[in-house]
Amino acid sequence: ETGVTQSPTHLIKTRGQQVTLRCSSQSGHNTVSWYQQALGQGPQFIFQYYREEENGRGNFPPRFSGLQFPNYSSELNVNALELDDSALYLCASSPHGDRGPGNTIYFGEGSWLTVV
Amino acid sequence: AQSVAQPEDQVNVAEGNPLTVKCTYSVSGNPYLFWYVQYPNRGLQFLLKYITGDNLVKGSYGFEAEFNKSQTSFHLKKPSALVSDSALYFCAVSSPGSNYQLIWGAGTKLIIKP
Repeated sequence: ETGVTQSPTHLIKTRGQQVTLRCSSQSGHNTVSWYQQALGQGPQFIFQYYREEENGRGNFPPRFSGLQFPNYSSELNVNALELDDSALYLCASSPHGDRGPGNTIYFGEGSWLTVV
Repeated sequence: AQSVAQPEDQVNVAEGNPLTVKCTYSVSGNPYLFWYVQYPNRGLQFLLKYITGDNLVKGSYGFEAEFNKSQTSFHLKKPSALVSDSALYFCAVSSPGSNYQLIWGAGTKLIIKP
């Protein structure tokens, strides 16, 4: 157990809808990052939050957005869902704010999103 | 461009035999290398990492990995495989060239047969 918890674990949405995924980081970790993992592929970095601000973003469109709260928990919001958004969404936390060398990130169990 | 390659989609090993899961990388600057494991329908679990120092790194569950700078490799190894080691293994690397963002390999499915 990493102490990173995600909810919901599974959900089904219709194309065009919006979804919010939630993450509680491990105690003492102030940095949260989100990843998308499509079936049979490696994780793809979506973005990272530190002290409630986005401080890194991967190659994802603006309809992917996020928030980090003062208690370091985080949300991932996806608007105008597309079929290709179906994937496992992983939240990871780490104890340091900057992406310095060697920072280990610890993953939650993920939220399975199916878009139909 | 920064990249990580796991050249084998799948590795099959008999229980009790040594296993190796390969990883090579191409980055700018000094690499920081990681291995994670993913069991079916689960999140990723950290196994081990190389930052600096001894090229042989020991991690969880009896796994180890050897950093080879000249071959730009970081292969994962275990002397004696267990059936419970069957899972998906991911290599990842960060570096100054990636602004320390983790670059992930595509994963290698490890199957340990009894």
